[in-house]
Amino acid sequence: ETGVTQTPRHLVMGMTNKKSLKCEQHLGHNAMYWYKQSAKKPLELMFVYSLEERVENNSVPSRFSPECPNSSHLFLHLHTLQPEDSALYLCASSQAGTSGANVLTFGAGSRLTVL
Amino acid sequence: AQSVTQLGSHVSVSEGALVLLRCNYSSSVPPYLFWYVQYPNQGLQLLLKYTSAATLVKGINGFEAEFKKSETSFHLTKPSAHMSDAAEYFCAVRIFSNDYKLSFGAGTTVTVRA
Repeated sequence: ETGVTQTPRHLVMGMTNKKSLKCEQHLGHNAMYWYKQSAKKPLELMFVYSLEERVENNSVPSRFSPECPNSSHLFLHLHTLQPEDSALYLCASSQAGTSGANVLTFGAGSRLTVL
Repeated sequence: AQSVTQLGSHVSVSEGALVLLRCNYSSSVPPYLFWYVQYPNQGLQLLLKYTSAATLVKGINGFEAEFKKSETSFHLTKPSAHMSDAAEYFCAVRIFSNDYKLSFGAGTTVTVRA
C-alpha cells in the first residue's frame, strides 16, 4: 500500500462505547496529524506527533486520546463521545523540518457517527 | 494568529467557463500558501503551493494561483472548468517555516453545470 491509509472508513458508535481509529503512513514521514472536519467549519487540528512525541494538542477534550507507537502509525482512541463529535476525522503525515513548504498528505478519512 | 479567509462557500460555473476561487490571508510576513482539493468521500489532495520562488504557481489538473502580496491574496483559477472539477477546495497557510500545522479556510464547494 502507498500513501496514508485510515481504518475504519465508517464507524457508528454509542455514547458509552470505546473505539479506535487507525492511521498508517507508508511515506517515510516523521510527523503525523489528526484533523477534525465538520460540516460548514474549517478543518480543526487536533493533535500533532513529531518523531512519535506529541508536539501539539489543541485543547481537545480528554474523551479523545491519541497514540503514536512509531512513526508509521497513529491511533485516535474514542471514549464516551457526544453526538457533536460526529464528523470526518482526517489523518495526515508530512516530512516536518525547517522548510515551511512541507506538504501534508492526507488519508481518505474515517466518518464517525455518534448516536 | 495566522488566518486564511475564503470568500464564497459555494461557486457554480458552467462547463468550459473560468473557475475563480478567492483566498486572502492574514500575516505580516510572506507566508507559505497551499490549495487543496477534496473530492467526495476522499481526503484532501494538494493542488499547488506557494513558496516564494515565483508568484504565479501552476498546479495539477490545469489549476494555477497567483500570490499578490499587496492584496494578501492567493486566488485559484482554471481557465476552463470540467465536470471532474466538482469538489471542495481549501486554501491553507503556514506562517513560520518550523510550524507543523497548516491553518485551513472554511472551503469553497464548486459545482459544474453541463
